[in-house]
Amino acid sequence: AQTVTQSQPEMSVQEAETVTLSCTYDTSESDYYLFWYKQPPSRQMILVIRQEAYKQQNATENRFSVNFQKAAKSFSLKISDSQLGDAAMYFCAYRSAWGGGSQGNLIFGKGTKLSVKP
Amino acid sequence: EPEVTQTPSHQVTQMGQEVILRCVPISNHLYFYWYRQILGQKVEFLVSFYNNEISEKSEIFDDQFSVERPDGSNFTLKIRSTKLEDSAMYFCASTPGSLSGDTQYFGPGTRLTVL
Repeated sequence: AQTVTQSQPEMSVQEAETVTLSCTYDTSESDYYLFWYKQPPSRQMILVIRQEAYKQQNATENRFSVNFQKAAKSFSLKISDSQLGDAAMYFCAYRSAWGGGSQGNLIFGKGTKLSVKP
Repeated sequence: EPEVTQTPSHQVTQMGQEVILRCVPISNHLYFYWYRQILGQKVEFLVSFYNNEISEKSEIFDDQFSVERPDGSNFTLKIRSTKLEDSAMYFCASTPGSLSGDTQYFGPGTRLTVL
C-alpha cells in the first residue's frame, strides 16, 4: 500500500521569504500523480499544484513550485515570496495512475502547518 | 468557475441519530468521492462513486454509511446511527473523467459534531 509522509508538522517563514515543505512517499508503482493541497482556517481543500510522475519537468504555478525526485520518492513544495495569505495547512497527496475506483482515491500525508510572519 | 458545494456547513446531532450530508459536484464531472478529516488528523478516503454505484470503499465505510445520487445533481452521504467518533469534517470531491490523474476538486466541507 502506498504511504505519504510529511515530516514537518509545523514550519514558519518570514513574509517575502522562501520556504520549502517536504514530502516523501512510498510506492511500488511507476506511474502516479502527486498533489499539494492547501487548507486554510476555513478548512476548504484547495489544489495548489500537481505533478505527473512520468514528467521529468517540475511543475510550477506562479510562486509555487515543486522539486520532484522520482528515484528518491520525494516531492517538496517551494513557496517563493511568501505572503500572509499562504498561512495554512499543506497536505501532500498521492494518486495511482491505474484508473478510477480505489486507484483513483487520494492518499494524504498528515500535513504541515505553515505560519507566515509579517 | 464551477465549484463543488456542500450543505450544511455545520451539522450538530445527537449520538444514534441519522444524518445526511449533501454535495453538489461540478456539473460535468463523473466521479465522486467522500473523504473524512477528524480534527487534527489527516484526510482519509471513505468512498468513490461512479455510474450510480460505489467504485471502492475504505474500511472506514462500514454498514453505517451509504451514498447515493438521488437526482442526477446531488450526491449524498448518509450515516444511519451516528457515533461520537463520527465527529469530523466531511469533504465531497469530484473529478471530470476516467483519467486517474484528473484533479479532484473539493467542496468546502461539512463539519459534523456528534454529541
